[in-house]
Amino acid sequence: EAGVVQSPRYKIIEKKQPVAFWCNPISGHNTLYWYLQNLGQGPELLIRYENEEAVDDSQLPKDRFSAERLKGVDSTLKIQPAELGDSAVYLCASSLRSMNTEAFFGQGTRLTVV
Amino acid sequence: GDSVTQMEGPVTLSEEAFLTINCTYTATGYPSLFWYVQYPGEGLQLLLKATKADDKGSNKGFEATYRKETTSFHLEKGSVQVSDSAVYFCATYGQNFVFGPGTRLSVLP
Repeated sequence: EAGVVQSPRYKIIEKKQPVAFWCNPISGHNTLYWYLQNLGQGPELLIRYENEEAVDDSQLPKDRFSAERLKGVDSTLKIQPAELGDSAVYLCASSLRSMNTEAFFGQGTRLTVV
Repeated sequence: GDSVTQMEGPVTLSEEAFLTINCTYTATGYPSLFWYVQYPGEGLQLLLKATKADDKGSNKGFEATYRKETTSFHLEKGSVQVSDSAVYFCATYGQNFVFGPGTRLSVLP
């Protein structure tokens, strides 16, 4: 069974430029998460989807971040414009359903803003 | 909101030593509890979980018991190996996953 696939693995951009990350969850998983992981810290939730609906985006900085999950499968996370402080690893995870089930994580996209 | 506190690392042990990584949580209701592990260069992987009080999760020689009375979920292993070197994250799931800051473990041969 294929795991959660994220691309790109690494991205270096200049500040004020836009950037997008892509996630393909495990087939059949209804719940999709985007997390932010700063160096030496645990992941922090940005947004959670149940199928195509964003059910928790309270931690997403909506002035510059946006996300979508068309057709309830793949998802993209976008930053525009990027700031130096956005340098981090962006993790995507999926689970069969939201309640107390294991979340499977992708390898993440490491973003460096210079 | 929910929160997770873990013992600060890094933790350095010799091979075959006993490991404990403390984890306490605050949450409303009765969350499920998880330990995830992140090996160098890899994504987070579920190590073990427990879904109700007094449940014991176990995997690969690691164990953790859901202690509701002390709101704890300490990770233990009787004899660590070099291959256990990784970062370990304790997490709760109430409405969303909430992770602790992680504890880096280094096991020396």
